[in-house]
Amino acid sequence: DSGVTQTPKHLITATGQRVTLRCSPRSGDLSVYWYQQSLDQGLQFLIQYYNGEERAKGNILERFSAQQFPDLHSELNLSSLELGDSALYFCASSEGTYRPDYGYTFGSGTRLTVV
Amino acid sequence: DAKTTQPNSMESNEEEPVHLPCNHSTISGTDYIHWYRQLPSQGPEYVIHGLTSNVNNRMASLAIAEDRKSSTLILHRATLRDAAVYYCILLNTDKLIFGTGTRLQVFP
Repeated sequence: DSGVTQTPKHLITATGQRVTLRCSPRSGDLSVYWYQQSLDQGLQFLIQYYNGEERAKGNILERFSAQQFPDLHSELNLSSLELGDSALYFCASSEGTYRPDYGYTFGSGTRLTVV
Repeated sequence: DAKTTQPNSMESNEEEPVHLPCNHSTISGTDYIHWYRQLPSQGPEYVIHGLTSNVNNRMASLAIAEDRKSSTLILHRATLRDAAVYYCILLNTDKLIFGTGTRLQVFP
């Protein structure tokens, strides 16, 4: 158990639907990062939140959004789902912003299948 | 983001040492060198990091070239559990940007 909790572990849904993925960071960590891993794209950085505020954006589609709540858990919302959104979605956490002298902790991911 | 170059794949036998190379010729003075690995069907896992000096921890050793343009992750005795994709990442912002990594196969 890495300390980063992601739910659900598996999700199967139909095209056009909307889903919410949840991430609870490791205790004491203020930053949350979301990544998408599909077979042909590798691990892609989507978005980062720090203490409730959006900090950095990567290759995140407009159909996707995220937020971080006062208790520091984060949710990634995916809407108007397409077959190509099928992927593993990982969440990572770190103590703060730019702490290069520390490792980042990843959750075990949510496997999303769009049918 | 500064780029790293790693071999696509490497092979090792169990209980032998493994040296995983990484080239980062455009590294800047403030870039930290991080290594992560991803076992099948799991999230990435932090392995080790360094700035200028060689580093050791319970999982591995990191050897950094004097000019910092390359580094080597050393697994002292490979086990079957070490079969994974290993990512070498230069960290100069607060987000990890993954490349394609090296897929390590370990044979019994």
